[in-house]
Amino acid sequence: AQTVTQSQPEMSVQEAETVTLSCTYDTSENNYYLFWYKQPPSRQMILVIRQEAYKQQNATENRFSVNFQKAAKSFSLKISDSQLGDTAMYFCAFMKGMNYGGSQGNLIFGKGTKLSVKP
Amino acid sequence: DGGITQSPKYLFRKEGQNVTLSCEQNLNHDAMYWYRQDPGQGLRLIYYSQIVNDFQKGDIAEGYSVSREKKESFPLTVTSAQKNPTAFYLCASSIDSRRPTQYFGPGTRLTVL
Repeated sequence: AQTVTQSQPEMSVQEAETVTLSCTYDTSENNYYLFWYKQPPSRQMILVIRQEAYKQQNATENRFSVNFQKAAKSFSLKISDSQLGDTAMYFCAFMKGMNYGGSQGNLIFGKGTKLSVKP
Repeated sequence: DGGITQSPKYLFRKEGQNVTLSCEQNLNHDAMYWYRQDPGQGLRLIYYSQIVNDFQKGDIAEGYSVSREKKESFPLTVTSAQKNPTAFYLCASSIDSRRPTQYFGPGTRLTVL
């Protein structure tokens, strides 16, 4: 069974600085997807970034980037130029892929990291 | 605006009663999902449906039931058999099972009194 571990329950960062959130996962699969979701106080889950395991290049989305280390099974999220609106719970999630290129559909989540951005 | 709607936002239920949570999407997505979130936890999959009139159990399906009669709708019924139903419930959808990114609705907070 796959598991996702986020070892930092809470983190804080000053506005405009950079912060890195850690995530490790355990799987014997070779084809899978990794995600970071953000859950602000409104509690709606918002996709931040996605990484396909077969891609060596790390995904980036504006101020958000990942460091994907497949051999180490590590998938950290870096937030640059932190903004007050980045304050939220951040969840790392894993999804098993299928041989034909699709996905199993079951997102497996870590327990989350609560990020506070301070002015 | 395209998106996923869940209603109601807050729901209260007496112990022993069944209750149905609504999830509707106008994104023309084939696949839909129900997750449960407990305090201090990530989300866990209850049920998912990859196509109309078909659905599969997730990791914690006991005490829940679903239907998928229309592409846009995937209601979740929390039955009296669910031992700890108080939780935050999130519905999600994806284009189809080949496109893995899931988009979430705003959620329903269910409290059993």
